[in-house]
Amino acid sequence: GQQLNQSPQSMFIQEGEDVSMNCTSSSIFNTWLWYKQDPGEGPVLLIALYKAGELTSNGRLTAQFGITRKDSFLNISASIPSDVGIYFCAGYSNSGYALNFGKGTSLLVTP
Amino acid sequence: GAVVSQHPSRVICKSGTSVKIECRSLDFQATTMFWYRQFPKQSLMLMATSNEGSKATYEQGVEKDKFLINHASLTLSTLTVTSAHPEDSSFYICSANPMGTDEAFFGQGTRLTVV
Repeated sequence: GQQLNQSPQSMFIQEGEDVSMNCTSSSIFNTWLWYKQDPGEGPVLLIALYKAGELTSNGRLTAQFGITRKDSFLNISASIPSDVGIYFCAGYSNSGYALNFGKGTSLLVTP
Repeated sequence: GAVVSQHPSRVICKSGTSVKIECRSLDFQATTMFWYRQFPKQSLMLMATSNEGSKATYEQGVEKDKFLINHASLTLSTLTVTSAHPEDSSFYICSANPMGTDEAFFGQGTRLTVV
């Protein structure tokens, strides 16, 4: 599979701050997915994106499918302590049936 | 969202024994399920694709005789780690997509410790 470039690798922020993370790929993707993983648990799907330019929200989370189809970002507004975890981007390219994953962004939120 | 249940969540076994991990899609059917391995502080690494009614497809470098996969029904796939060694200790996670969708739903993961 293809490794996605996800940044930043980690973030340490204060409660109430907004957070932004992004993912890029070297090839065109058909679908972008964003997941959150808590320690010792499986990833939980946050947002799914299917069209270039699509902007989708899920509560305080907003994600966009880049118009070039090679990137996506995830924003978290007004962060709270329970936002702590590792966020992964994932997607399907034209050439594969399996998900490609980013390396994850570790988010720490201090009260 | 759809629910994927993985069992057990934790298992400790002795070297040389085999361990079976189950992955069930509770409220949808899946002709394909995926098995991943995750090392600490790393991303998910695809091990194999489990296909209902046919042989699994293994990623390069994954020993098919060591990691036996059976997808006996549209809601159940199993991964058996045979003759386990300490280096097989890891976090194993399965996923499945409701048919016709690109959304992958993951199980809770299984922490395998081989002693």
